[in-house]
Amino acid sequence: DTEVTQTPKHLVMGMTNKKSLKCEQHMGHRAMYWYKQKAKKPPELMFVYSYEKLSINESVPSRFSPECPNSSLLNLHLHALQPEDSALYLCASSLRDRPSGANVLTFGAGSRLTVL
Amino acid sequence: GQQLNQSPQSMFIQEGEDVSMNCTSSSIFNTWLWYKQDPGEGPVLLIALYKAGELTSNGRLTAQFGITRKDSFLNISASIPSDVGIYFCAGQLTLVDNQGGKLIFGQGTELSVKP
Repeated sequence: DTEVTQTPKHLVMGMTNKKSLKCEQHMGHRAMYWYKQKAKKPPELMFVYSYEKLSINESVPSRFSPECPNSSLLNLHLHALQPEDSALYLCASSLRDRPSGANVLTFGAGSRLTVL
Repeated sequence: GQQLNQSPQSMFIQEGEDVSMNCTSSSIFNTWLWYKQDPGEGPVLLIALYKAGELTSNGRLTAQFGITRKDSFLNISASIPSDVGIYFCAGQLTLVDNQGGKLIFGQGTELSVKP
């Protein structure tokens, strides 16, 4: 299995809703990532989990809450979002997250989020 | 923060033509990656480069890791309609920059191919 699976593919939510995005990989990767991407722009890093511990939070607002229940799963909990949070949310994984090692990321297909 | 300058921003070419795009940086990278993204999908890895001067091919794609470690290019030969998409370079910083392991993405090159 060489895939990163993201669900749901599309999500529409109101500003008062609570929802979650889910990501799963079975490649034995120990680093998992959340990225946010606006149309025709590069992905922007939000969070990195390394060995199931949060290692990087790129000053993301607290209305985004990541969770890594185990080495294969990564969630992003969403609450009280704003319309400007509408974007494609990409999950990725890599074999390791160490400064001296190459980090080749495998991306999922993304979850398209629309906040009304 | 760190930035990669990727050019051109967009290209409109005829099917069968060759394509060249590149990324440059003021920082030294220890890894260069090239991804392609189709509409509504996530980026897919095309080529990974690990050593300065390395030249790697993947079918009609060829990429090189610049000898100064501050640049990389991607060439596509004999383009076909399915080459349409956005191409991103991504560099991984060296340890001395204190951000080792983090990928820095270029702004992307949007490729359109006319049949």
